[in-house]
Amino acid sequence: DTGVSQDPRHKITKRGQNVTFRCDPISEHNRLYWYRQTLGQGPEFLTYFQNEAQLEKSRLLSDRFSAERPKGSFSTLEIQRTEQGDSAMYLCASSETDWNEQFFGPGTRLTVL
Amino acid sequence: RKEVEQDPGPFNVPEGATVAFNCTYSNSASQSFFWYRQDCRKEPKLLMSVYSSGNEDGRFTAQLNRASQYISLLIRDSKLSDSATYLCVVNPHDKLIFGSGTRLLVRP
Repeated sequence: DTGVSQDPRHKITKRGQNVTFRCDPISEHNRLYWYRQTLGQGPEFLTYFQNEAQLEKSRLLSDRFSAERPKGSFSTLEIQRTEQGDSAMYLCASSETDWNEQFFGPGTRLTVL
Repeated sequence: RKEVEQDPGPFNVPEGATVAFNCTYSNSASQSFFWYRQDCRKEPKLLMSVYSSGNEDGRFTAQLNRASQYISLLIRDSKLSDSATYLCVVNPHDKLIFGSGTRLLVRP
């Protein structure tokens, strides 16, 4: 399967713990995006990378959130000191350029107790 | 006001019906437009891009009115498998802005 993959698919954690998610984009795609989706809403943009450079961060991305794409391939999204409001589906997407279709991974569903 | 607004539905229609969804967007600088489909607890998948001239893909027709900042999706001859949430999406630059989605239920 050469699509976008995400790991883990589900994560349950206690409030205050740190969590890290991984995304592996389609191999030839330069752009990698992170979105968050809560029940009944569409995905909301968090941040994106062009190769290894993080080019934009949403104001939704508080100081507790950090994302990296160190070698321009896979990316990680870390949430420190998780809060119950962080519970959501975290989606990763990749594309060749900014105007091309974005292909989404299956998401990581985070539950903060 | 949300950047992309859609009627949440649900639209409950019989098989074979024609159904239309609309959305409006606020950013006049938006450059590209899409409809994505999302099944329950799955990731969004591109249904079709939307062009100013209008475009058709089988039973699906999408229209864009830039002057009114309005996008539509028409589904003809609905199938049970069309049941899903349809997300209106605009790309002002570098990222996708999603509406909250319109839920479609097609009944036998």
